[in-house]
Amino acid sequence: QKEVEQNSGPLSVPEGAIASLNCTYSDRGSQSFFWYRQYSGKSPELIMFIYSNGDKEDGRFTAQLNKASQYVSLLIRDSQPSDSATYLCAAEDSSYKLIFGSGTRLLVRP
Amino acid sequence: DTAVSQTPKYLVTQMGNDKSIKCEQNLGHDTMYWYKQDSKKFLKIMFSYNNKELIINETVPNRFSPKSPDKAHLNLHINSLELGDSAVYFCASSQVGGMYYEQYFGPGTRLTVT
Repeated sequence: QKEVEQNSGPLSVPEGAIASLNCTYSDRGSQSFFWYRQYSGKSPELIMFIYSNGDKEDGRFTAQLNKASQYVSLLIRDSQPSDSATYLCAAEDSSYKLIFGSGTRLLVRP
Repeated sequence: DTAVSQTPKYLVTQMGNDKSIKCEQNLGHDTMYWYKQDSKKFLKIMFSYNNKELIINETVPNRFSPKSPDKAHLNLHINSLELGDSAVYFCASSQVGGMYYEQYFGPGTRLTVT
């Protein structure tokens, strides 16, 4: 059974701090990894993807991938109250299927 | 303008009824998906169609039947609804191929079975 695991949270950080969200996956064959943000009552929207080991930066977001440890993380710098949402980690398997984690709820305190 | 649309947005029905959810995408994508998100926010794929062909069929009760009349539409019909079917159902689409693809999600259909 292919799995993606995340801590459900909530992860609470003060405004302006760095929020660190983590995810592990079980399928060593997974090549691409995605972070989706989902506001309450809304649909998931893609914020970052990564497929190479190392870091990938996009604005305030940095995704990190370590395939040896089967570990993906998302850093959000200068967290804003508008970043408060559930963050879903997903791993793509060989049949283009996304395996999602259950999400980490992030709360950014003003 | 809406990229992926679903109807209805809310569906309240009784156990034993049959209902359908419709999905349309205007992005020109070749692949469409149905996901179920339960109360714990766990998002799980149910089906996927590529150019009207079923390519992913997860372990889902056969009361659920997807239909893709063309590559822009994917509908989901559910027979004999049960309490456990209550969830949010998301349709998504993507253009598969290459190193990376993004799945675009519809707004979701909240199904409540009473």
